[in-house]
Amino acid sequence: DAGITQSPRHKVTETGTPVTLRCHQTENHRYMYWYRQDPGHGLRLIHYSYGVKDTDKGEVSDGYSVSRSKTEDFLLTLESATSSQTSVYFCAISLAGREDTQYFGPGTRLTVL
Amino acid sequence: GENVEQHPSTLSVQEGDSAVIKCTYSDSASNYFPWYKQELGKRPQLIIDIRSNVGEKKDQRIAVTLNKTAKHFSLHITETQPEDSAVYFCAANTGFQKLVFGTGTRLLVSP
Repeated sequence: DAGITQSPRHKVTETGTPVTLRCHQTENHRYMYWYRQDPGHGLRLIHYSYGVKDTDKGEVSDGYSVSRSKTEDFLLTLESATSSQTSVYFCAISLAGREDTQYFGPGTRLTVL
Repeated sequence: GENVEQHPSTLSVQEGDSAVIKCTYSDSASNYFPWYKQELGKRPQLIIDIRSNVGEKKDQRIAVTLNKTAKHFSLHITETQPEDSAVYFCAANTGFQKLVFGTGTRLLVSP
């Protein structure tokens, strides 16, 4: 599982509340990614990181922010959650020397009521 | 940017039959094409990948073929088994260490 954990694994929240999802890895991987998965859309990239404090936007970044203050943690924040952000969120890492190959964490199911 | 299209969206086969899933991509600069399998409620798992310097790669009952000229690649599963039932995603690399995914194919293998 490439040493990736995500927390929480399930969360139910209300519209307008802030939410932070955590991705933690134990193997010092440089590249980390956040995706959302919705029926009919596959996996879509929200944000990614190529090192501590180095992040960039993906294709569906509106309404999301990220932070990476240390190598092992990549945080995804929904500043004010909306029902359209109900989704399954996956974190991924890529391995040194094979940076285009990605491995996924277990996922977080987020429901915004 | 890169766009990946995947067909069919659902595929039903009998156990022992072969299954083929096809993807097309738009960016001629893409040179890495992984396939993931996702069982219900689980994470996507890498099952096979191919780089643009080869045309075919096999791993037991699964194989991937790549046609760079036509910009399409395919996943072939032979002698399908019920445990092959899952959603399969193709992807292509783009830009800076990023992947763009297809929308997935739900494969159902009936005993």
